[in-house]
Amino acid sequence: DTAVSQTPKYLVTQMGNDKSIKCEQNLGHDTMYWYKQDSKKFLKIMFSYNNKELIINETVPNRFSPKSPDKAHLNLHINSLELGDSAVYFCASSRLAGEQYFGPGTRLTVT
Amino acid sequence: EDQVTQSPEALRLQEGESSSLNCSYTVSGLRGLFWYRQDPGKGPEFLFTLYSAGEEKEKERLKATITKKESFLHITAPKPEDSATYLCAVQAGGGADGLTFGKGTHLIIQP
Repeated sequence: DTAVSQTPKYLVTQMGNDKSIKCEQNLGHDTMYWYKQDSKKFLKIMFSYNNKELIINETVPNRFSPKSPDKAHLNLHINSLELGDSAVYFCASSRLAGEQYFGPGTRLTVT
Repeated sequence: EDQVTQSPEALRLQEGESSSLNCSYTVSGLRGLFWYRQDPGKGPEFLFTLYSAGEEKEKERLKATITKKESFLHITAPKPEDSATYLCAVQAGGGADGLTFGKGTHLIIQP
């Protein structure tokens, strides 16, 4: 069984478009995260979210927004896509303050 | 600001040749230090959590240790399947905080 899943795996789109990436976890965790891995393979936290608080990395443009319909899902919405948004985006989940388990990633290419 | 520095950036070993990877960290109030393995095209895979200086964790050919400033991932008699990028990360502050990652060590084990 897949613990943390993401869809789609690949996303190719044009500048200016709006897109969403979906994430689901079946581990019963209460905290979920979005990370961005750039072309140099450096992983950086974007958001942390549990049912009580949203922590936003101050460097993330407000074109990015997480939406959580329930504890098992945390989707990432991106408005007005730019070339620099091209990267691999990873979803992760954990118990509060526990080790994080990552999804397989979504490779976003903006043309 | 939390910082994680990993060395070396890349390491090539012969099968059976033991070595260590280094992770130096600066963090205000360490909640946990994490080691992950990442294979090409996949998400990071959790290996170990270390919480305080002197702690050790072991799994097959891997052993992780930690001091107040550094952590080491020791690889004993590695096999080609141990080839991957090894990532070190720290978590500080509140329970929902994301991880601060290093840039990783790209390990290649030659048969």
